[in-house]
This record gives sequence, C-alpha cells and structure tokens, in this order.
Amino acid sequence: GENVEQHPSTLSVQEGDSAVIKCTYSDSASNYFPWYKQELGKRPQLIIDIRSNVGEKKDQRIAVTLNKTAKHFSLHITETQPEDSAVYFCAAPRGMDTGRRALTFGSGTRLQVQP
Amino acid sequence: EAQVTQNPRYLITVTGKKLTVTCSQNMNHEYMSWYRQDPGLGLRQIYYSMNVEVTDKGDVPEGYKVSRKEKRNFPLILESPSPNQTSLYFCASSFVPPSRVGELFFGEGSRLTVL
Repeated sequence: GENVEQHPSTLSVQEGDSAVIKCTYSDSASNYFPWYKQELGKRPQLIIDIRSNVGEKKDQRIAVTLNKTAKHFSLHITETQPEDSAVYFCAAPRGMDTGRRALTFGSGTRLQVQP
Repeated sequence: EAQVTQNPRYLITVTGKKLTVTCSQNMNHEYMSWYRQDPGLGLRQIYYSMNVEVTDKGDVPEGYKVSRKEKRNFPLILESPSPNQTSLYFCASSFVPPSRVGELFFGEGSRLTVL
C-alpha cells in the first residue's frame, strides 16, 4: 500500500512569512495529491489538490508543487496570517492492491502563525 | 444544506459495551468512509464503502464493523470497545472515490472515550 510521510510535524512562523510543508509518497503510480486543513476543533477540509500531469498549482496564497521523479509534493503558503494556523494533512491514493479507492493521509503538520 | 452528520458527537463508554456511531450524508454520494484521528498518527482509514452493500477494510479495521444498507447511511459499530479505541472518529463521503479526484466531505467528528 501507499506510504505517505509528512514533515515537519510542527512549524512556527511569523505572520507574513512563508511556510512550506513537504510530503513523500511511495507508490509511483499515484496520480492525485490533495491537501486538507483542519482548524482547531473542526473537521478537515480540502484546500488544494494537484494531479500528476502538472507540476504546480496555485490558489491565491497557497500553492502545491509536485516532483514525480523524487516522489514528493509540497504545500506552500505565502504571506501567512493568523487564520492559517491549523493542522495540515497531505494525502495520496492507496496502492494498486485496492485499485486506489482510498487515500492514505500523512501524519499532519501543526502550523502556528505568530502575530 | 449539504452535509455529513455524525452522532453522537461525544461519548464516554466502558469496555465491552457495544456502541454504534451513525453517519448520514445528504449529497447522494456513492463513496463513504470512516477515519480515526490520533495524535501524531494523522487520519487512518477504518473502513470504506464504494456503494450500497459494498464495503472494504481500510488500514485499521480490527475491532470495527460497518454496514451500508442505504446510500445515505454508513454506521460504524464497535461490538466490544476497548480503551485503545479511544479516539476522534470522522465519517467522510465523496461523489467519486477520493483517489479519483474526489473531494472528501467530513462530518464534524465523534470523540469516543472507552474506560
């Protein structure tokens, strides 16, 4: 099955700085990589995703990059704001043995934006 | 309003006392899934369902059962709960399997404590 490793586990930045969270995956056939944001006490929600046929995708202050050769993808948040403080999860499709019908999530990164 | 509804939101129970956590979605989604969230371990999938009467194991199915008799409902059953099942549980649904570029919509979570 798919193995997704996420780093760092915690990240503290000053407001206005950039934040980068990186995930690596093991299944070279994986083709879809979403990022979910979970605010304190809330449910996870999709914030951005990328397919394997593109290398980068942007949505305002957030972007995701994908390096298929190295099998890693990253979330970039620019001009961070206090409301960006949350736990972020990356995910990748489960391996071929289940027909990639499910997602494997990383262990999460707790981002703290200091005002 | 499109939503995934879980009940109960909070539950304290004792070892061995059977319990059911209900999950219902009103978006006509075919795919439904249960996750548990534990500190440092991210979101781990327990079971998923591709459609009515079609269920399959996720990463951590031991000690759990599910059923999918109706498209909108996907209850999680703990036949004989144990303390290691103390966790935060999320039900999620999507129109297509999330590995096929399908956004997962999560419920608000059910915090279970087994004494």
